[in-house]
Amino acid sequence: AQSVTQLGSHVSVSEGALVLLRCNYSSSVPPYLFWYVQYPNQGLQLLLKYTTGATLVKGINGFEAEFKKSETSFHLTKPSAHMSDAAEYFCAVSDRGNQGGKLIFGQGTELSVKP
Amino acid sequence: DTGVSQDPRHKITKRGQNVTFRCDPISEHNRLYWYRQTLGQGPEFLTYFQNEAQLEKSRLLSDRFSAERPKGSFSTLEIQRTEQGDSAMYLCASSLTGVIYEQYFGPGTRLTVT
Repeated sequence: AQSVTQLGSHVSVSEGALVLLRCNYSSSVPPYLFWYVQYPNQGLQLLLKYTTGATLVKGINGFEAEFKKSETSFHLTKPSAHMSDAAEYFCAVSDRGNQGGKLIFGQGTELSVKP
Repeated sequence: DTGVSQDPRHKITKRGQNVTFRCDPISEHNRLYWYRQTLGQGPEFLTYFQNEAQLEKSRLLSDRFSAERPKGSFSTLEIQRTEQGDSAMYLCASSLTGVIYEQYFGPGTRLTVT
């Protein structure tokens, strides 16, 4: 069965610093890969996705992620953190062979941004 | 387009009572998903519909849970004989087939069972 591991349940950075949130998946076939963000008391918003093609994917709000097949990773980065980036971030995968497209999520990483 | 909406946003119920949640997807989306999210965890898949057909159910969806999408538009999720372990955020998402699994989420219904 597929699984997603997010290293670090809490990450704290200073405003203006690099943001790095880690995600590893386990699957014999590379799945579709997603990052979602969740603000308090709100639903999830898609930041970016990787399906095929270029392995460096750019998303909204200055975030990007790189798919590395050899490392089974899809880490999320942002060069310069902003206070408004404070939220919960979820990495998710979807099996290419599953036509239904259900998402399997990691446990989430809470990002704090210090002034 | 107002996005995915869910009603109610919060529900407090006593153990043993039945509850029903509603989800209205984005109007042209033919797929609708239900997920459950407990505190400190990522969402877990419960079930999904394509139009009115329920095509997959998770083993998490016990016999006390039932979901419907009668006309391929809105969906309801009913929990019978609620238990304290049912306390969670119930999230609904919708998508189009052909747009690779890009799911749009509603704000969720937070259920508290006392």
